[in-house]
Amino acid sequence: DSGVTQTPKHLITATGQRVTLRCSPRSGDLSVYWYQQSLDQGLQFLIHYYNGEERAKGNILERFSAQQFPDLHSELNLSSLELGDSALYFCASSRLAGGSSSYNEQFFGPGTRLTVL
Amino acid sequence: AQSVAQPEDQVNVAEGNPLTVKCTYSVSGNPYLFWYVQYPNRGLQFLLKYITGDNLVKGSYGFEAEFNKSQTSFHLKKPSALVSDSALYFCAVRGLVESGYSTLTFGKGTMLLVSP
Repeated sequence: DSGVTQTPKHLITATGQRVTLRCSPRSGDLSVYWYQQSLDQGLQFLIHYYNGEERAKGNILERFSAQQFPDLHSELNLSSLELGDSALYFCASSRLAGGSSSYNEQFFGPGTRLTVL
Repeated sequence: AQSVAQPEDQVNVAEGNPLTVKCTYSVSGNPYLFWYVQYPNRGLQFLLKYITGDNLVKGSYGFEAEFNKSQTSFHLKKPSALVSDSALYFCAVRGLVESGYSTLTFGKGTMLLVSP
C-alpha cells in the first residue's frame, strides 16, 4: 500500500458527460501528479500540482482540468467525455516540488478505471 | 526532451533463471532513473532508483539495476526469477519541463512472464 488513495475505483459513464476523480496524497507529500494509462498511449503524464499550485503540464486535453485543495487532495475533472477517454487514471504523490535540483520519487495510487460508453 | 525506450514488449524466463529487462534513455543533464512494477489491476510500485553513486543499484524484491552512462542504459536485473515476478515493468527518467520543474517520462513497459 503506497499511502495514496483514489476514488472511485471504477467509473462507467456515457459520452458527453463530466466526471470527477479524486486523489489523496501520502501524508506529508505536497506534490500530486496525474497520469493516464491506455493500451495505445502507454502511461502519459497529465499535470502536476505542488502545494495548491500548478507546476507542470503534460499531454492534458483542454476538456480536462485539475486542482489541488488546501488539504492537499486533488481532483481531476474530465468533461465532454469521448470513447477514447476510457483509460486508467493514476494519481501519484511525492514530497518534493520537483525542481531542477531535486528528483521525483513518486508513489502511485491504485487508479480509477474510467469506461466511457 | 527526455525519452525512454524499452525495446522488448515481453520477456519470457523460466523460474530460477536470471532475468534482464532492458531500458535505454535520453535526457539532458544528469540522469535520474527509476524502475516501477505494475501488477494486474494495481497501481505502479516503486522498485529502485539511480541518482548518483554506484552504477549497480539494489532495490525491492531482490531486483537490481545497472547504470551504464556510455550506453545510456539502465537495465533491470534479478539473479533468480520467481513466478510471482510476472508483471509489467516500467523504466522512467526524470526530465525538466518548460516551467523548470521536473516530471517523469515512462517507457511503454515490458511484460515479464516467468514460467514455473
